[in-house]
Amino acid sequence: GAGVSQSPRYKVAKRGQDVALRCDPISGHVSLFWYQQALGQGPEFLTYFQNEAQLDKSGLPSDRFFAERPEGSVSTLKIQRTQQEDSAVYLCASTRLAGGTSTDTQYFGPGTRLTVL
Amino acid sequence: KQEVTQIPAALSVPEGENLVLNCSFTDSAIYNLQWFRQDPGKGLTSLLLIQSSQREQTSGRLNASLDKSSGRSTLYIAASQPGDSATYLCAAFSGSARQLTFGSGTQLTVLP
Repeated sequence: GAGVSQSPRYKVAKRGQDVALRCDPISGHVSLFWYQQALGQGPEFLTYFQNEAQLDKSGLPSDRFFAERPEGSVSTLKIQRTQQEDSAVYLCASTRLAGGTSTDTQYFGPGTRLTVL
Repeated sequence: KQEVTQIPAALSVPEGENLVLNCSFTDSAIYNLQWFRQDPGKGLTSLLLIQSSQREQTSGRLNASLDKSSGRSTLYIAASQPGDSATYLCAAFSGSARQLTFGSGTQLTVLP
């Protein structure tokens, strides 16, 4: 595709519900990143995939957060038993190369705005 | 742990002014320093990427500099236009963690 796409763009969940957020990276991009952006803050790293392998999940805030990329392309970020503090914009980014290099730009999707009531 | 700070948090200037946005980072072991633009309700658009071995990059009216030793980067915008109004984020790609660490951004408003 022409760029990184994310769906849904907006999600409202009741506290305790499970949600799934989808990311379609640029075709052929090896690396995929998820970020969480709170209102008025910069994005914070959640997790990183190289193809289907999740190489870094150090930013996931709790075990309620789970991400997968089973075929090395589309990725899903799942949040179980959502809490109000999970309300944020979730951004996905992809890069052409593996692991990130000094010349590799991250291309971001438009994000999914999650509101937990 | 890398920390990135951006000053000022918000800036309002009249159209046509030249301006400088500041970014500082605590860990100089970076692969690159990136500047992004974020419009309301949208994702991030990459503006400039400066490799750790470089001192500056230019694109049109934008010029970004990098001083690793002092942990600083600046984004210079020449002849600002109302269309430049957005939030500007800098991010350091750290060598050890292979992660982008973002600042909180500078919200720029260019008044017509």
